[in-house]
Amino acid sequence: DTEVTQTPKHLVMGMTNKKSLKCEQHMGHRAMYWYKQKAKKPPELMFVYSYEKLSINESVPSRFSPECPNSSLLNLHLHALQPEDSALYLCASSPIANYGYTFGSGTRLTVV
Amino acid sequence: QQQVKQSPQSLIVQKGGISIINCAYENTAFDYFPWYQQFPGKGPALLIAIRPDVSEKKEGRFTISFNKSAKQFSLHIMDSQPGDSATYFCAATPADSNYQLIWGAGTKLIIKP
Repeated sequence: DTEVTQTPKHLVMGMTNKKSLKCEQHMGHRAMYWYKQKAKKPPELMFVYSYEKLSINESVPSRFSPECPNSSLLNLHLHALQPEDSALYLCASSPIANYGYTFGSGTRLTVV
Repeated sequence: QQQVKQSPQSLIVQKGGISIINCAYENTAFDYFPWYQQFPGKGPALLIAIRPDVSEKKEGRFTISFNKSAKQFSLHIMDSQPGDSATYFCAATPADSNYQLIWGAGTKLIIKP
């Protein structure tokens, strides 16, 4: 299995809603990432988990809350988002000390 | 500030032609230079990558050329096909980080039939 699977593919949520994005990989990768991508822009790093521990938080607002329940799963909990948070949210994984990222297809999030 | 500058922003090439995308980096020790291909509605996919001790790497129709002294690297797509139409991002990994990627701004490539 050489895939990173993200669910849901599309999500529309109101500014008062709470929702979660899910990511799963079975490649044995020990680093997992959340990225945010706006249209026509490169991905922006949000969080990095290494061996299930949060190792990088790129000053992301607290309305985004990551969670890594085990080495295969990564969640992103969303609460009280703003319309400007609408974007493609990408999960990725990589082996530790290797630089080959594998990205999922992303969740297209719209905040209304 | 770490930067990777990518050009052109967009590129139109005839089918069968050579597509060339250029990137340059500044003042930082990077030790890994990947290229990603992204189709609309999909995540980026690793296309090809190079380390700075190699001047060229070829995989099928895709070639990376790397000039360490000039701090430049480029992607060449030979015999470009309509299926190559996508956005291409160059990137670089700082030598002191296993996790971070510094991304170029992206090039939207259109291959005309």
